[in-house]
Amino acid sequence: NAGVTQTPKFQVLKTGQSMTLQCAQDMNHEYMSWYRQDPGMGLRLIHYSVGAGITDQGEVPNGYNVSRSTTEDFPLRLLSAAPSQTSVYFCASKSSYNSPLHFGNGTRLTVT
Amino acid sequence: KNEVEQSPQNLTAQEGEFITINCSYSVGISALHWLQQHPGGGIVSLFMLSSGKKKHGRLIATINIQEKHSSLHITASHPRDSAVYICAVRSRSGSRLTFGEGTQLTVNP
Repeated sequence: NAGVTQTPKFQVLKTGQSMTLQCAQDMNHEYMSWYRQDPGMGLRLIHYSVGAGITDQGEVPNGYNVSRSTTEDFPLRLLSAAPSQTSVYFCASKSSYNSPLHFGNGTRLTVT
Repeated sequence: KNEVEQSPQNLTAQEGEFITINCSYSVGISALHWLQQHPGGGIVSLFMLSSGKKKHGRLIATINIQEKHSSLHITASHPRDSAVYICAVRSRSGSRLTFGEGTQLTVNP
């Protein structure tokens, strides 16, 4: 099993550009989520999904969209990138409500 | 005050030392997680606990629900233990995790 796979690992965008961060898991986990990690702050939840076809907002959803058309994939879309979205993004999944999280390796995004 | 506070923020130890990282939280919780973030950035889950104590190899996690406090201990520390250790809690009333800022541990040979 590959676990949770995130692509790309690094990305540089100009302000106003859009892009999609990909996340896929091969563990048949129902729960998937996106976090951002910024210096001096804990991981913050952007969006999450409790199953295919179901998504919900987290703590910092503005500027991001998600969809969950399959159990395996949970892409994160930046609609119009802003410098404030410069961060490291982590996708995570888990099998059930009270299970440990499995993280991807992260995507380092810089918006200039 | 943050919901989850970790101490210390930074910790430097010599190889072989016993290490303790602390996590205090302010809400009633259903579970507490300890995570390890490697220097390369990847995050792995070490423990999930709601009471008592868990042990895995040289790592021990304890939690005191009444005092709203958890500790992560590393026995016989090694340079490969150098990483950021993150505490996260799930409140009883919610489904989301709240994360601490992490403790940067450096173990020197």
